[in-house]
Amino acid sequence: DSGVTQTPKHLITATGQRVTLRCSPRSGDLSVYWYQQSLDQGLQFLIQYYNGEERAKGNILERFSAQQFPDLHSELNLSSLELGDSALYFCASSVGDKTWGGYTFGSGTRLTVV
Amino acid sequence: EDQVTQSPEALRLQEGESSSLNCSYTVSGLRGLFWYRQDPGKGPEFLFTLYSAGEEKEKERLKATLTKKESFLHITAPKPEDSATYLCAVQDNYGQNFVFGPGTRLSVLP
Repeated sequence: DSGVTQTPKHLITATGQRVTLRCSPRSGDLSVYWYQQSLDQGLQFLIQYYNGEERAKGNILERFSAQQFPDLHSELNLSSLELGDSALYFCASSVGDKTWGGYTFGSGTRLTVV
Repeated sequence: EDQVTQSPEALRLQEGESSSLNCSYTVSGLRGLFWYRQDPGKGPEFLFTLYSAGEEKEKERLKATLTKKESFLHITAPKPEDSATYLCAVQDNYGQNFVFGPGTRLSVLP
């Protein structure tokens, strides 16, 4: 157990729908990072939050959004889902804003869009 | 733009047969190079950080090395439990997100 908790583990939904993925960072970590992993694209950085504020943005679609709450948990919202959004979504956490080292990853949420 | 490539894409070894995985990178200013191990359906697990050319890190049967353009992950006398996908990532001097390579899928047969 890495200490980073992601729920749900699996999610199956239809095209056009909206889902919310949840992440609780490791105790003491203030940064949360979201990554998407698909078979053809590998691990792609989506977005980072630090202590409730957005810090960095990667290849995140406009249909996707995220936030980090006062208790430091984070949610990734995916809307108007398309078949191509099917992927593993990982959350990672770290202590600081800029991480001079490795992240701690959660075990991921597998999203299947049908 | 930072880029990371890894080779081979997949590697099958017999138990005890040593080999190396390659990670080649292009980054404007390298802050760190990271190796992760990922088991199927699991999140990546941090292995090593390398910061400067010539640096080496070891953990059990794994040894990571770094040059100015690439890194190698050497696996000595591997066991079936070493089977996993090994990911390489680079971080630039701005210290924000990582850029991950596509990974090498390692299978060690008993």
